[in-house]
Amino acid sequence: DTEVTQTPKHLVMGMTNKKSLKCEQHMGHRAMYWYKQKAKKPPELMFVYSYEKLSINESVPSRFSPECPNSSLLNLHLHALQPEDSALYLCASSQEGLAGGTQFFGPGTRLTVL
Amino acid sequence: AQSVAQPEDQVNVAEGNPLTVKCTYSVSGNPYLFWYVQYPNRGLQFLLKYITGDNLVKGSYGFEAEFNKSQTSFHLKKPSALVSDSALYFCAVRDMTGGYQKVTFGTGTKLQVIP
Repeated sequence: DTEVTQTPKHLVMGMTNKKSLKCEQHMGHRAMYWYKQKAKKPPELMFVYSYEKLSINESVPSRFSPECPNSSLLNLHLHALQPEDSALYLCASSQEGLAGGTQFFGPGTRLTVL
Repeated sequence: AQSVAQPEDQVNVAEGNPLTVKCTYSVSGNPYLFWYVQYPNRGLQFLLKYITGDNLVKGSYGFEAEFNKSQTSFHLKKPSALVSDSALYFCAVRDMTGGYQKVTFGTGTKLQVIP
């Protein structure tokens, strides 16, 4: 299985809602990532988990809360978002520690904040 | 910090013609370079990577890239473009700053293949 899956595909939420994005991979990768991507822009790194521990937080607002329950799953909990948080949220995974580790991306969750 | 630059926002090429999407890099040490492609409303797909070895790297869907150390470039090429190659292309470099692996992307180049 060389796939990264993400649910839901689309999400519309109000600024007072609480929702979660989910990501799953079964490639045995030990590094997992959350990216935010605005239209026609490169992905912006948000968080990196390495061996289920948060290793990088790129100064992301606390309304985004990541969680890595196990080596195959990655969640992103959302609360009190702003309209400017509307974007494509991408999950990726890679084999930590291998030279030139290639990242495998999921299809993304299209988030709209009203 | 490691970085890559993509000087062209958009490249237009006629179907059947060769295509080149440009990328230059700025790194300390040996560069680990990647190309990814993104189709509309989709995630990124890995095309190819350069770590070491031959300067010509072959990848998926008939793409290849040429690593040029003297020009600090890693241009993506294909001998004959297809309409289905129309997409957004990102060059990227591996960054191990702080001891953790992450990837820094270029700004992206939109490739338009004209029938």
